[in-house]
Amino acid sequence: EPEVTQTPSHQVTQMGQEVILRCVPISNHLYFYWYRQILGQKVEFLVSFYNNEISEKSEIFDDQFSVERPDGSNFTLKIRSTKLEDSAMYFCASSDRGVVEQYFGPGTRLTVT
Amino acid sequence: EDQVTQSPEALRLQEGESSSLNCSYTVSGLRGLFWYRQDPGKGPEFLFTLYSAGEEKEKERLKATLTKKESFLHITAPKPEDSATYLCAVQAGRDDKIIFGKGTRLHILP
Repeated sequence: EPEVTQTPSHQVTQMGQEVILRCVPISNHLYFYWYRQILGQKVEFLVSFYNNEISEKSEIFDDQFSVERPDGSNFTLKIRSTKLEDSAMYFCASSDRGVVEQYFGPGTRLTVT
Repeated sequence: EDQVTQSPEALRLQEGESSSLNCSYTVSGLRGLFWYRQDPGKGPEFLFTLYSAGEEKEKERLKATLTKKESFLHITAPKPEDSATYLCAVQAGRDDKIIFGKGTRLHILP
């Protein structure tokens, strides 16, 4: 069964460093999303991406964040200068029908020290 | 402000003991309500989408229902493998984003 994959599974970085989180969505999907989940809190929407551009973004997704689909298979989230409060689980999701039926990856745990 | 509230926060049931989880929402212009299951350390797993009041969907021991103010996830004769956190989320307005509730942690005792 096709699935969304994410790498790395765990990333530890120092405050102020740049990180890139990588996702490989399901191959025929056209809608891509990033979410984060701070430990013990709710899942929060960050950004949606369709047709090679951002379609929606939340207040969390400020200038420190960017997304890219560098080739036909990868979808990346870059955090330019990490802060302690960026520590969270980051989930990528993809869909062939928009938000109505999203398939999530296993997540990348980001720890900022 | 759009809000999604799930109750209870946690629920322990004996195997075979049916129950319901609640998701109440206050949003302007509901476009869809979604249920997900999340196992520890993993991403949410899609279960159902509901679009309009009165709609019901079923999958194995799970049945989701929707009214104008809330949704219920009914679990019939649960098994230990149904233990997980169940998340509710809504899409409202013209946005292509969804708002999640905090989830209900369900634990089924053998």
